[in-house]
Amino acid sequence: RKEVEQDPGPFNVPEGATVAFNCTYSNSASQSFFWYRQDCRKEPKLLMSVYSSGNEDGRFTAQLNRASQYISLLIRDSKLSDSATYLCVVMPNTGNQFYFGTGTSLTVIP
Amino acid sequence: NAGVTQTPKFRVLKTGQSMTLLCAQDMNHEYMYWYRQDPGMGLRLIHYSVGEGTTAKGEVPDGYNVSRLKKQNFLLGLESAAPSQTSVYFCASSYLPVGGGEQYFGPGTRLTVT
Repeated sequence: RKEVEQDPGPFNVPEGATVAFNCTYSNSASQSFFWYRQDCRKEPKLLMSVYSSGNEDGRFTAQLNRASQYISLLIRDSKLSDSATYLCVVMPNTGNQFYFGTGTSLTVIP
Repeated sequence: NAGVTQTPKFRVLKTGQSMTLLCAQDMNHEYMYWYRQDPGMGLRLIHYSVGEGTTAKGEVPDGYNVSRLKKQNFLLGLESAAPSQTSVYFCASSYLPVGGGEQYFGPGTRLTVT
């Protein structure tokens, strides 16, 4: 079983729409969670960390559900510039490495 | 600041050839990482370093070696390239240990092994 699983999409949504991605993780003892964004043929960049209490950054909201072992990313009022692949990243409580999901592709359509 | 840089950006190798990928960061980060990214697989950690002179194996270390002789540089070596090593390689660095903060990625090296 993969450490982190994401729906690869693609998600094609109109401008202004709200879209949500989920990501599940297998290690119940995982302790750190992140969403990274990766544009086509570019490097990943941190979008936001995910805290137990949930957190919001402008149009983006991240939530963690430890009981069900998933994290989510909600994007409100989608912009064309939001088109990218969104990577879910989990760090277990042991070791020094991240586990990346395969990414969810989002295209925002005019 | 240049951030994290990688050389080369592109490379084509024949099976059995060797090469070294160079990663450099100017942020004085202790922690550095090498990942590979393949379609449908996500990024997978090859090797990492928690400081100058230290290296450790990640998830997929076979066929690769690394060295961290200087704090700012992290080298990834392929001694005898195989077609299975065709991939995009990303280097990353961070100030805090994994999980403590952001990893900063380089622009990637696209390697094709024929």
